[in-house]
Amino acid sequence: EADIYQTPRYLVIGTGKKITLECSQTMGHDKMYWYQQDPGMELHLIHYSYGVNSTEKGDLSSESTVSRIRTEHFPLTLESARPSHTSQYLCASSEATAEAFFGQGTRLTVV
Amino acid sequence: QQQVKQSPQSLIVQKGGISIINCAYENTAFDYFPWYQQFPGKGPALLIAIRPDVSEKKEGRFTISFNKSAKQFSLHIMDSQPGDSATYFCAARGNTGNQFYFGTGTSLTVIP
Repeated sequence: EADIYQTPRYLVIGTGKKITLECSQTMGHDKMYWYQQDPGMELHLIHYSYGVNSTEKGDLSSESTVSRIRTEHFPLTLESARPSHTSQYLCASSEATAEAFFGQGTRLTVV
Repeated sequence: QQQVKQSPQSLIVQKGGISIINCAYENTAFDYFPWYQQFPGKGPALLIAIRPDVSEKKEGRFTISFNKSAKQFSLHIMDSQPGDSATYFCAARGNTGNQFYFGTGTSLTVIP
């Protein structure tokens, strides 16, 4: 089983609040990813990182930001949450030549 | 633009039957093709994966068939069981290793 953890698992928050979704992995993987997934829908890449101090935006435009100060940690921040941000957020990591391992996800509801 | 096209969107199979899910891609730079299984409320978990230099890979009841010239690959689940009911995603990775592109998912229901 992959050692990648996301917290919180569920979050309900009011509009306008700042939130940070946490993601940590203990596998020493250089590459990390954030995906957004609506119920029963495909995964959309919103951010990825090659390594420390390296971040890139994915294919799906997102108002969120990420940081990669440590190899094991890749938090995602929304400065001002809106109902349109309601979704499931999945974090993943991988080695250069292997598959991605996913966390359990954070289901975010903005009311 | 959808990099990986997956079909069908949903699939219902009788217990003991064969489930087949198909995916197609255009980018010949893809070099790794994993399949993921996702149960409700969970993150996707790697099921089986293949590289383009191999035409078939089998692990237990799960087989990937890969057709490089047609740029298609498929997942076959033999002797399908109710516990296999989940959403399945195919994926492809670019040869820079920086991104995984996912299909739109197939919701599989195996009827007892």
